[in-house]
Amino acid sequence: EAGVAQSPRYKIIEKRQSVAFWCNPISGHATLYWYQQILGQGPKLLIQFQNNGVVDDSQLPKDRFSAERLKGVDSTLKIQPAKLEDSAVYLCASSPGQGWDHEQFFGPGTRLTVL
Amino acid sequence: AQSVTQLDSQVPVFEEAPVELRCNYSSSVSVYLFWYVQYPNQGLQLLLKYLSGSTLVKGINGFEAEFNKSQTSFHLRKPSVHISDTAEYFCAVSEISGYSTLTFGKGTMLLVSP
Repeated sequence: EAGVAQSPRYKIIEKRQSVAFWCNPISGHATLYWYQQILGQGPKLLIQFQNNGVVDDSQLPKDRFSAERLKGVDSTLKIQPAKLEDSAVYLCASSPGQGWDHEQFFGPGTRLTVL
Repeated sequence: AQSVTQLDSQVPVFEEAPVELRCNYSSSVSVYLFWYVQYPNQGLQLLLKYLSGSTLVKGINGFEAEFNKSQTSFHLRKPSVHISDTAEYFCAVSEISGYSTLTFGKGTMLLVSP
């Protein structure tokens, strides 16, 4: 079974530029998550989708971050414009859906460096 | 809202020695508990999980954890570590009745030396 795919793996941009990350969850998984992991900290949930609807985006900085999940499968996370403090690893995860035991399956992450 | 505290940011240990990584949580409702491992430049991989039943949970790579409800703890243990166990370990909690949102601790870096 293929795992969660993410691209790119690494990205370096200058502040005020825009960037987008892509995630392809495990086939059939209804729930998709985006996390931000700053160096030395645990992952922090940014947004959670159930199929193509948003379940929780309470910690998403909506003035600069946006995310969508087209047709309930792939997802993109965008930052516009980027700030220095956005430097982090962005992790995508998926799970079969509500009623499951809440185990999440993680992708390798995208490491973003903002200069 | 739930929270997770991992008391040690770094745990150095010699190869073949036992190790315990500590995790305490706070929640007003029943929870599921997880330990994930993160190797350098990789995503998180599930080590083990506690959903219900026996409080001693066995996971992959020889790790185990014990759920203690009265102390709100879920400490991770391994009787004999290997060099390859060097990684970051994250404890996480999810409210059973919620949307499966995971709240992570800050992580503990396990450093195994020869």
